[in-house]
Amino acid sequence: EAQVTQNPRYLITVTGKKLTVTCSQNMNHEYMSWYRQDPGLGLRQIYYSMNVEVTDKGDVPEGYKVSRKEKRNFPLILESPSPNQTSLYFCASSPGTGLLGAPYSYNSPLHFGNGTRLTVT
Amino acid sequence: SQQGEEDPQALSIQEGENATMNCSYKTSINNLQWYRQNSGRGLVHLILIRSNEREKHSGRLRVTLDTSKKSSSLLITASRAADTASYFCAIETSGSRLTFGEGTQLTVNP
Repeated sequence: EAQVTQNPRYLITVTGKKLTVTCSQNMNHEYMSWYRQDPGLGLRQIYYSMNVEVTDKGDVPEGYKVSRKEKRNFPLILESPSPNQTSLYFCASSPGTGLLGAPYSYNSPLHFGNGTRLTVT
Repeated sequence: SQQGEEDPQALSIQEGENATMNCSYKTSINNLQWYRQNSGRGLVHLILIRSNEREKHSGRLRVTLDTSKKSSSLLITASRAADTASYFCAIETSGSRLTFGEGTQLTVNP
């Protein structure tokens, strides 16, 4: 089954304790992205990756790191979590254009994971 | 802001009625997408409409796009209780950025 898998589903941690949220997709998608969802603020993009070893900041990257060493995996790392990072996190992927040299454009939908609810105390 | 803005924020209707949600934006777009989210779950893609398209259908869903007014609407016909969810529009702008609005919470009462 084609899917985006995030783990863990729920996570409670304390301020300053490094954590990693994993994301894996089995659709051979080029594009992957992390979002956080907060009441009244909608979904905001944290980081995205257009392909292996290519990552870029989204709208709210502070306090987060990512890596894209393999096409299927895109982990989100919080080196020193703080309470303001308490949120619902979503990983998503998309095929991308696959057109060498062409301006990147989705024109294809995002596939989302089921989310990770993180609480930092 | 480049994000889409949904209207209304919340909508409550009876089963069998039609539900209309609107999305407005301020910049030029490559495409506009509608997603659905059941409580606490991941978003599910519904329809993508490109900037050169005016209307698309998928089952009971109808999406229109008016680029001159920078607005889109999502119509759900003959709604069911199972349609209860949050609905988000997302706009793709140049530079491959996809930004989401804050969503419309739809409640369909049996």
